[in-house]
Amino acid sequence: DQQVKQNSPSLSVQEGRISILNCDYTNSMFDYFLWYKKYPAEGPTFLISISSIKDKNEDGRFTVFLNKSAKHLSLHIVPSQPGDSAVYFCAASAEGSNYKLTFGKGTLLTVNP
Amino acid sequence: DVKVTQSSRYLVKRTGEKVFLECVQDMDHENMFWYRQDPGLGLRLIYFSYDVKMKEKGDIPEGYSVSREKKERFSLILESASTNQTSMYLCASLGPPFVDEQFFGPGTRLTVL
Repeated sequence: DQQVKQNSPSLSVQEGRISILNCDYTNSMFDYFLWYKKYPAEGPTFLISISSIKDKNEDGRFTVFLNKSAKHLSLHIVPSQPGDSAVYFCAASAEGSNYKLTFGKGTLLTVNP
Repeated sequence: DVKVTQSSRYLVKRTGEKVFLECVQDMDHENMFWYRQDPGLGLRLIYFSYDVKMKEKGDIPEGYSVSREKKERFSLILESASTNQTSMYLCASLGPPFVDEQFFGPGTRLTVL
């Protein structure tokens, strides 16, 4: 069973506009959520995270929103830039899991100039 | 900066061969992980280790084993490589002062013929 779901395999936006990437989870034990960004032929790099005690975390152009009741989180990128084009992975962990992360399948974001 | 290195970027092996993938981190992290990434499947955890000589199965351990004799090094072993193990293999490490943000190596693209 897929505990972390990214239902959109791809997303295309214009430069300067907002990109919204979505993620749903089913395991209510998850208490920490992360977004990773991956360019081709490179390892994923950490982007932003949020604890379950918060509903929003912001870092520059990147904001993550968490809706615990809906088991849903989203990543907003404003304004989007061509260099943001990459695969974005949502990940979640549960306390006591030895820091094991469960990843979604990823969303390919393409930002068009 | 945390540095995670993997012994090879590209590897081609024959079916039935024993394959060793090496990962080294330079931050004295206690936790290390092996994932594989396949199109449409995201990142799936194979094995992880939370201390020297300690290991725990991830979501897809079948056909793999691991070794952690030293803190900085975590090896993934394919005892008898098969074509369905053709994949991108990613190693990651995690430790203080970071919380849940795993640092990834560049990946090894393994092809089994």
